[in-house]
Amino acid sequence: NAGVTQTPKFQVLKTGQSMTLQCAQDMNHNSMYWYRQDPGMGLRLIYYSASEGTTDKGEVPNGYNVSRLNKREFSLRLESAAPSQTSVYFCASDLGGREYFGPGTRLTVT
Amino acid sequence: TQLLEQSPQFLSIQEGENLTVYCNSSSVFSSLQWYRQEPGEGPVLLVTVVTGGEVKKLKRLTFQFGDARKDSSLHITAAQPGDTGLYLCAGAKGYSTLTFGKGTMLLVSP
Repeated sequence: NAGVTQTPKFQVLKTGQSMTLQCAQDMNHNSMYWYRQDPGMGLRLIYYSASEGTTDKGEVPNGYNVSRLNKREFSLRLESAAPSQTSVYFCASDLGGREYFGPGTRLTVT
Repeated sequence: TQLLEQSPQFLSIQEGENLTVYCNSSSVFSSLQWYRQEPGEGPVLLVTVVTGGEVKKLKRLTFQFGDARKDSSLHITAAQPGDTGLYLCAGAKGYSTLTFGKGTMLLVSP
């Protein structure tokens, strides 16, 4: 039982490049989330998926897209990376209001 | 608008000292959660408080939910270096997504 896994752990992109952050959970949770964490800003919700086949915008969705591929997997895509997207990205899944977080992806956009 | 204000932002103490950190809001929450995040890892849930006035203890950690369900506190007795980390509070309103505070960074020195 690995919980929530994220790949990659680290990534450096140039402005304008695209990439997909992968997230998977093996706990059979319905809800999944993508957050970004910046110094002094706390955790901010980018997108979430309440169940397989549905996605909704969070507080800071601009510049991102998501795909809920199946119940286990929820990916986050940056189509054209910008320096403002330099951050640590966390994926989480939820059961009964308790969120389980992955280890994070540290992304730097130069 | 920051719905959840955490204070202090940063706290540096010696091993064995007691401390209290706060999470305040002008909004009413149906429940409030406390997470601890260690460097390089995702947040981990410590406790959920649901009832106004509720007090929960987790070894040396005591959590209290305000009577009006707008605020919460975390008290640590005899802090240890292993308590070092970022403490985040998060509020829930019904079935909506969590709102996170910006966190209190605690450093406990031996």
